[in-house]
Amino acid sequence: EVQLVESGGGLVQPGGSLRLSCVASGFTFSNYAMTWVRQAPGKGLEWVSGITSGGGATYYADSVKGRFTISRDNSKNTLYLQMNSLRAEDTAVYYCAKGLESYASSWGDYWGQGTLVTVSS
Amino acid sequence: EIVLTQSPATLSLSPGERATLSCRASQTVSSYLAWYQQKPGQAPRLLIYDASNRATDIPARFSGSGSGTDFTLTISGLEPEDFAVYYCQQRSNWPLTFGGGTKVEIK
Repeated sequence: EVQLVESGGGLVQPGGSLRLSCVASGFTFSNYAMTWVRQAPGKGLEWVSGITSGGGATYYADSVKGRFTISRDNSKNTLYLQMNSLRAEDTAVYYCAKGLESYASSWGDYWGQGTLVTVSS
Repeated sequence: EIVLTQSPATLSLSPGERATLSCRASQTVSSYLAWYQQKPGQAPRLLIYDASNRATDIPARFSGSGSGTDFTLTISGLEPEDFAVYYCQQRSNWPLTFGGGTKVEIK
């Protein structure tokens, strides 16, 4: 059974940093792309970032480019999102999703339950 | 950035009725479009990818069609568990984008 478990969310002040983690199980993690998608309270889905199966290529939404960094450790079956210079508008539930294939733009076929990030003073 | 416009914003239907949801792209996305279902408090679930391919374990009452800029998700007979919000997503161009969603509610 595919499982994705996010952690690392919480309350942070504007300008602060957080690192989200997503631990994967039930599939060969190194064979699949991974993605972060967020959802602000009461709003729709926003694609944040994607990474290829090997980690060699990464992509970002314009809203987070230069502030967020996606990475993965295939030896630990773990995906990360380092978030710096956080803003109030980054407040959202952050989901990690497994890609259907190895390329970073592949569809998210399994999703975690999400972790809430709140940016507020 | 490709903008996806979903209509209607809300669809009020009764169980057993047919639901037709629309997603229009601001420029062609070929067939690189997917549909997701999201229920309150839950993560999204992939229903349809590449415009018309059903994802694993998705019932046959869900079908997708379209190419280019106009796409449709059809639910042939609504079951009680189908009342939810549906999002389309494109992967033709970076950044990947989602539509604003269509809520299918019980009439």
